[in-house]
Amino acid sequence: QQPVQSPQAVILREGEDAVINCSSSKALYSVHWYRQKHGEAPVFLMILLKGGEQKGHEKISASFNEKKQQSSLYLTASQLSYSGTYFCGTGVYGGATNKLIFGTGTLLAVQP
Amino acid sequence: NAGVTQTPKFQVLKTGQSMTLQCAQDMNHNSMYWYRQDPGMGLRLIYYSASEGTTDKGEVPNGYNVSRLNKREFSLRLESAAPSQTSVYFCASKESTDTQYFGPGTRLTVL
Repeated sequence: QQPVQSPQAVILREGEDAVINCSSSKALYSVHWYRQKHGEAPVFLMILLKGGEQKGHEKISASFNEKKQQSSLYLTASQLSYSGTYFCGTGVYGGATNKLIFGTGTLLAVQP
Repeated sequence: NAGVTQTPKFQVLKTGQSMTLQCAQDMNHNSMYWYRQDPGMGLRLIYYSASEGTTDKGEVPNGYNVSRLNKREFSLRLESAAPSQTSVYFCASKESTDTQYFGPGTRLTVL
């Protein structure tokens, strides 16, 4: 069962902030975030492991709440280059440790 | 390093035709994956191979077969293509830290 991402789409002006959420019905041991630009392959952003740790990548950071089976991606002071579709990929307890289940994606458009 | 490469980039098939999508990686990764991406559905796992010599079904395996030819190569075969298999297909490989690296994709249309 795919994790649910919200919102499905968001439009920002340069410099504004955004939060993308990923929620799973299953217990998670890891969450991966990827960004995909139109017509291109998904590109890895960061991985979060159980323990609630927060990670950062430039002005993009994320958190993972294992108990709530949720992760959030924070984009601050957005730039035009942040535009694309963001996917969370979840590592699920009880599943094969080698595979991820991806969410349906959040389309982010940053306008000048 | 080329990373993950896929061939062909584009393909048009008629219903019932067969074809094989090729994927190769030069990063010495053990695990490789095939996904399909459809509008609004995100990435769905078709098959994966945790290591050379092993393959397992993912979420949507029906209508597909795979071969892990060696550590570098993982191919996806459509035996009798159907319009429902029109999609963008991505191959990926995974390093020990669980990060997956994706190929550029194959855009397949089945008429």
